[in-house]
Amino acid sequence: EAQVTQNPRYLITVTGKKLTVTCSQNMNHEYMSWYRQDPGLGLRQIYYSMNVEVTDKGDVPEGYKVSRKEKRNFPLILESPSPNQTSLYFCASSAPGYQNTEAFFGQGTRLTVV
Amino acid sequence: QKEVEQNSGPLSVPEGAIASLNCTYSDRVSQSFFWYRQYSGKSPELIMSIYSNGDKEDGRFTAQLNKASQYVSLLIRDSQPSDSATYLCAVKQAGTALIFGKGTTLSVSS
Repeated sequence: EAQVTQNPRYLITVTGKKLTVTCSQNMNHEYMSWYRQDPGLGLRQIYYSMNVEVTDKGDVPEGYKVSRKEKRNFPLILESPSPNQTSLYFCASSAPGYQNTEAFFGQGTRLTVV
Repeated sequence: QKEVEQNSGPLSVPEGAIASLNCTYSDRVSQSFFWYRQYSGKSPELIMSIYSNGDKEDGRFTAQLNKASQYVSLLIRDSQPSDSATYLCAVKQAGTALIFGKGTTLSVSS
């Protein structure tokens, strides 16, 4: 089954404690992205990757890091989380090109930083 | 900066009515257009994709694209309470990632 898997689904952590949210896809997609979603602000892109070892900042990259060492994995790293990073996070993957390039989303990670 | 604009709503329609959701985009070279439905706290799911001007129908859903006007819409016929959700418009061109609008909240009353 084609899917994007995020872990964990829920996470409560304390300010400053480094954490990683994992994302893995089994569709051999080149493109992967991380989004955060907050009430009234829609989906905002944090980072994206067009291929292995190629990453770029999205609209709200401050306080986040990513890596793309393998095609299937795209972890999101919060080196020193702060309460303003409390949000619902989504990972997505898609194929390049023109048609059949819709994004497939993971189940989401609800992060609370206290 | 590339932008995708949607009315935030809420758009309220009675059960059985047609719901019309609209989206405009700024990048003229956009090639692929998508509508996603998102229930509260859940991940977005793809409803429709459209790539050429005109209408595309799938069950109760019809996507309409007008590239000259940089406008894409989604019609939901015979709206049901289960259609109550946020609808996200997304746009891309080949070689780039998707750009999402902020979404329109639809409420269907029974």
